[in-house]
Amino acid sequence: AQTVTQSQPEMSVQEAETVTLSCTYDTSESDYYLFWYKQPPSRQMILVIRQEAYKQQNATENRFSVNFQKAAKSFSLKISDSQLGDAAMYFCALGEYGNKLVFGAGTILRVKS
Amino acid sequence: DTAVSQTPKYLVTQMGNDKSIKCEQNLGHDTMYWYKQDSKKFLKIMFSYNNKELIINETVPNRFSPKSPDKAHLNLHINSLELGDSAVYFCASSLGQGAETQYFGPGTRLLVL
Repeated sequence: AQTVTQSQPEMSVQEAETVTLSCTYDTSESDYYLFWYKQPPSRQMILVIRQEAYKQQNATENRFSVNFQKAAKSFSLKISDSQLGDAAMYFCALGEYGNKLVFGAGTILRVKS
Repeated sequence: DTAVSQTPKYLVTQMGNDKSIKCEQNLGHDTMYWYKQDSKKFLKIMFSYNNKELIINETVPNRFSPKSPDKAHLNLHINSLELGDSAVYFCASSLGQGAETQYFGPGTRLLVL
């Protein structure tokens, strides 16, 4: 069975600093996708970044980048130059063909000014 | 120009009642989903439809019945509501059944008294 583990229930970062959120997963599939979603207090689920497992290059979206280690089944999210608007709950998710997303428990990110 | 919309946003009802949540997407996607987010913020897939056909049905009580009148709509009907049904229900859609990115609606907060 697929599982996604986020071991950090809560993280804090100073504005303009960098923070890394951890995620590990387990799957028996060789073809899958990984996602980070952000859920601010408005509760809207917003896609932050996506990584295809067959791609070796780490995905990047502006201030957001991932460190994808396929052998270790690790998928961490790095947020650079943190902003107050980054404060939210962040979910790591695993998607396979058939497209059921399996989510981790989430990490609350607090940004201090 | 909302991509995935849900109605209502909030629903407060008594135990034993029957209620429906509606979802519509204007992205031209073929696949739609229902997820449940519990009080601990844990997100879990309930159902998935591809082009009006049920493809994922997790272990959900049969009091929950999804209906897809066309591929742009996926409604969720809940019979005999119980206290434990209180949660946020998210609709999502994706282009197809491959592990494409899923786009989420704003969520419906259901409170059963």
